[in-house]
Amino acid sequence: GQSLEQPSEVTAVEGAIVQINCTYQTSGFYGLSWYQQHDGGAPTFLSYNALDGLEETGRFSSFLSRSDSYGYLLLQELQMKDSASYFCAVKGGATNKLIFGTGTLLAVQP
Amino acid sequence: EAGVTQFPSHSVIEKGQTVTLRCDPISGHDNLYWYRRVMGKEIKFLLHFVKESKQDESGMPNNRFLAERTGGTYSTLKVQPAELEDSGVYFCASHRGVNTGELFFGEGSRLTVL
Repeated sequence: GQSLEQPSEVTAVEGAIVQINCTYQTSGFYGLSWYQQHDGGAPTFLSYNALDGLEETGRFSSFLSRSDSYGYLLLQELQMKDSASYFCAVKGGATNKLIFGTGTLLAVQP
Repeated sequence: EAGVTQFPSHSVIEKGQTVTLRCDPISGHDNLYWYRRVMGKEIKFLLHFVKESKQDESGMPNNRFLAERTGGTYSTLKVQPAELEDSGVYFCASHRGVNTGELFFGEGSRLTVL
């Protein structure tokens, strides 16, 4: 089977840096994705890591360590609009589908 | 290009009734997924279509749930008869070609079973 663990809530202040961790267990791993969801709306894609290392896209970066079954999403220069739920999702298994974690609710305070 | 659209956005029904949710994926996206989120829990995979064929339906809870994608365009998810534990937000997502880890999600259909 597949499972993911991430913190349920994180709080940070505007302008700060926050890291959201994700550990996973899966048979047949292809990659780790991150999604953002505002107010229960459509989850939107942020990043995908298939190989070890850091991927940077503007203020957001995502890291993967396949040997540790671990990844994180790094958000820099936090803004109020970054308050949202963040989900890690592993692509794996026999049919290559995306399996999501329970999400981390990020609250950015002034 | 229109995004993934879902209908209805919200449905309130009584236990034992039937509800049909619809998803229109982005045009040209052969791959279509149904997911469900119950409050506070994970976005749980239900099933995956490639065109009109069910590629993986391992997440379907039981035989009260029926998904179809006739013609390989839009998809419907029927719950009959609905139970209280079926309440949640049902998301549809799609992508074209190989799964690169990026799915395009709809806004979801919130189902409340009373």
